[in-house]
Amino acid sequence: AQSVTQPDIHITVSEGASLELRCNYSYGATPYLFWYVQSPGQGLQLLLKYFSGDTLVQGIKGFEAEFKRSQSSFNLRKPSVHWSDAAEYFCAVGAYEGSTLGRLYFGRGTQLTVWP
Amino acid sequence: GAGVSQSPSNKVTEKGKDVELRCDPISGHTALYWYRQRLGQGLEFLIYFQGNSAPDKSGLPSDRFSAERTGESVSTLTIQRTQQEDSAVYLCASSLAGAAAYNEQFFGPGTRLTVL
Repeated sequence: AQSVTQPDIHITVSEGASLELRCNYSYGATPYLFWYVQSPGQGLQLLLKYFSGDTLVQGIKGFEAEFKRSQSSFNLRKPSVHWSDAAEYFCAVGAYEGSTLGRLYFGRGTQLTVWP
Repeated sequence: GAGVSQSPSNKVTEKGKDVELRCDPISGHTALYWYRQRLGQGLEFLIYFQGNSAPDKSGLPSDRFSAERTGESVSTLTIQRTQQEDSAVYLCASSLAGAAAYNEQFFGPGTRLTVL
């Protein structure tokens, strides 16, 4: 069965520091992978997605993520964090076949706090 | 419309009462999804609509939950005889075409349901 694990519930970084949020997935084939961000009172916004091809994908707001099949990981990175990046981040895997087509499976989320 | 909208934004109800949550998807989006987000948890899939039919209802947690969609537009999620464990944020998403993980899902701001 598909599942997503985000091992870090809460991460705190200083503004300007680099960031890496971890995501591990379980899926029977090559997955479709997503990172979403949720700011207070806002809906989820798609940061980036991976379907195939280049394993390093670029997203909005300066984020990038790398798909590593051997590690079943899709970690999100940003070289220099801004205070406005404080939010909750969700990793998700999308089903692309069978009865669960189109459904997204989400991790529990990582809450990011940015210190000034 | 400009984005997915949901109403009400907040709903407080008493245990045992019925509630209706509404979702207005982006105009022209044929696929519509409902998810539930409990405190400290990731998003949990509830149901998916393609047009007005629901090919995948497998995420509905009990027969107290039902949903419908009319005119390939507005969807209503109904929870009968609410229980305290139904307290959560209910999120709606829509996507342009049929169910496919590569079709980006656009999320609404959610309805926060509190059952007293």
